[in-house]
Amino acid sequence: DAGVIQSPRHEVTEMGQEVTLRCKPISGHDYLFWYRQTMMRGLELLIYFNNNVPIDDSGMPEDRFSAKMPNASFSTLKIQPSEPRDSAVYFCASTLFGPESLSNEQFFGPGTRLTVL
Amino acid sequence: AQSVTQPDIHITVSEGASLELRCNYSYGATPYLFWYVQSPGQGLQLLLKYFSGDTLVQGIKGFEAEFKRSQSSFNLRKPSVHWSDAAEYFCAVGFVSGSARQLTFGSGTQLTVLP
Repeated sequence: DAGVIQSPRHEVTEMGQEVTLRCKPISGHDYLFWYRQTMMRGLELLIYFNNNVPIDDSGMPEDRFSAKMPNASFSTLKIQPSEPRDSAVYFCASTLFGPESLSNEQFFGPGTRLTVL
Repeated sequence: AQSVTQPDIHITVSEGASLELRCNYSYGATPYLFWYVQSPGQGLQLLLKYFSGDTLVQGIKGFEAEFKRSQSSFNLRKPSVHWSDAAEYFCAVGFVSGSARQLTFGSGTQLTVLP
């Protein structure tokens, strides 16, 4: 398996532009997570999905952020409009938890480094 | 709510020396505990995990961690550090509630290895 795939790996945009980050989870995984990593705030969970359904989006910083998972093999995180403070590395992770377990590993993608000028 | 504290932001050790990275958690029930490692420019990779059974768990790359309920700790250890171990290390605690599955990560410990 190719692992979790994220695109683009790097994104540089100007303030006010729309940014879309993409993630392809590992086939067969039932949970997908979006994280943001910054020096100041560390690794923050933004939102996660179970079988394509959003379970908890309480980590999404504001309405400018939105995430979708239209099918089991694709998810997007969109920022509109983008601001310089959104500059960070955004990670997608997936796992197969099943009904009662949390013991399985979350597999992380390589991340998208976003710079908003 | 669960939380994780990694009190050491940065640790420097010499190659061949032993290593211990500290992790303290706060969680009301039996925790699921993890250690992840992040190399520069990479995503996180699981080193080891604990969720039940033997409190001393072995992981990849020669790492081990010990769960101590009385101290709410899950410290990571390695008897002899290699230069390739230089990376950032994250402790995480997880919880399960219905369909909720969530990991809370600590702020990370940056490890520098001196030749």
